[in-house]
Amino acid sequence: GQQVMQIPQYQHVQEGEDFTTYCNSSTTLSNIQWYKQRPGGHPVFLIQLVKSGEVKKQKRLTFQFGEAKKNSSLHITATQTTDVGTYFCAGPGTSGSRLTFGEGTQLTVNP
Amino acid sequence: DGGITQSPKYLFRKEGQNVTLSCEQNLNHDAMYWYRQDPGQGLRLIYYSQIVNDFQKGDIAEGYSVSREKKESFPLTVTSAQKNPTAFYLCASKNLGAAGNTIYFGEGSWLTVV
Repeated sequence: GQQVMQIPQYQHVQEGEDFTTYCNSSTTLSNIQWYKQRPGGHPVFLIQLVKSGEVKKQKRLTFQFGEAKKNSSLHITATQTTDVGTYFCAGPGTSGSRLTFGEGTQLTVNP
Repeated sequence: DGGITQSPKYLFRKEGQNVTLSCEQNLNHDAMYWYRQDPGQGLRLIYYSQIVNDFQKGDIAEGYSVSREKKESFPLTVTSAQKNPTAFYLCASKNLGAAGNTIYFGEGSWLTVV
C-alpha cells in the first residue's frame, strides 16, 4: 500500500534558525496537504499543493511540491516559539476519500 | 476545528470494559474518520465512512467498532478486545465533493485504561 515518509522525526532549533521537514511518497500523489498539531492539540490544515513543482508561501512558511509529485517540503524561515508543534504531510490514498499521513516532524524551538 | 464535536475529552476505562467515543459534525460532510495517535507518534486510521450505513476498516481496526446511522454522527467503540487502548483518539470529517478537500479534526478524546 501507499506509504508516506517524513524526515526528520524530531528537530530542535534555536529561535531564529531555519527549519525544514521533508515528505516522500512511495507513489505519485494527485495532491499533498500539510497540517500542524500544537502540543496537546489537534491537527489543523495549513495548505494543499496540487501542481507539479508548485511553491506556496504563508508568511515565513514555504511549501514545495516536487516535479514528480512524489515529494514535498515545508521550510520555516527564522523560527519563532509559536512554530512549536508537529508538522504532518498527508496524501490521498488509493481510495480518494482517505488520507495517508506521514509520521510527522516534531519541532521544538529554544528561545 | 469548528463543527466537529468529540466527547468526552478525557475518559478512564477499566480493563475488560467497552467504551464509546462520540463524534458529531454539523459541516454536512460526507466522510468521517477515526484516527488513533500514540504519544510522539503519527496518525493511524482506524475506520472511515463515506456514506450513511457504510464504513470501511482502516489500518488498525482490530478491537474497534463503528456505526454510521446518521450523516452527522460516527461513534467509535473501543472494545475489550483492544489490548492497548490507551491513546489519543481523533475524529475527522471531509467533504467528498471535490478531490483533495481538507480534513477537519475534532479536538480529540484522551482514553486511559486503568
